Amino acid sequence: KNEVEQSPQNLTAQEGEFITINCSYSVGISALHWLQQHPGGGIVSLFMLSSGKKKHGRLIATINIQEKHSSLHITASHPRDSAVYICAVSPIQGAQKLVFGQGTRLTINP
Amino acid sequence: GEEVAQTPKHLVRGEGQKAKLYCAPIKGHSYVFWYQQVLKNEFKFLISFQNENVFDETGMPKERFSAKCLPNSPCSLEIQATKLEDSAVYFCASSQFRVGETQYFGPGTRLLVL
Repeated sequence: KNEVEQSPQNLTAQEGEFITINCSYSVGISALHWLQQHPGGGIVSLFMLSSGKKKHGRLIATINIQEKHSSLHITASHPRDSAVYICAVSPIQGAQKLVFGQGTRLTINP
Repeated sequence: GEEVAQTPKHLVRGEGQKAKLYCAPIKGHSYVFWYQQVLKNEFKFLISFQNENVFDETGMPKERFSAKCLPNSPCSLEIQATKLEDSAVYFCASSQFRVGETQYFGPGTRLLVL
């Protein structure tokens, strides 16, 4: 079993829909990261969380440390949100390296 | 610079040839990480540096892979005697100081071994 599991693996939705991507992890962490990988391959860091909730524009990320679970929400989704969203953790024992989930491929249709 | 730079963008090698990839971290960042992405979404950690010192090399296939970060030079990742399974996108990332800090990714080098 992977240390970081994401669901769903693929998600297709209509423009305007509310999107939720889930991430569960099994190791102790110092932080959890949400990354976005564009169709061209570039990776952008969206959020880094160690507790609570963060919001940036239409994106919201939450984390529950006790349950070892995080969610990424997108409100009023748009076709330009189509990308692969990756959850990654910084394990406490991991000397700063990231351990990645398998990614969620999101497609937003107009 | 303000972004992590990686060169080349694409690299094609015949099996058994050497491949060398370069990464310039963001100025002022102390940590450099190399990750290998295969099969579109599967990321594997290779090695990290704190300045010019190896910080964690637990992910490196040591027989053929080596890496350096020397002062005033781009960091490098070298693969001797490439194999077909080395075909992947190699990402470099850098971060400033603290444990768990945001890592900033370069655009990646796509290596194709034929």
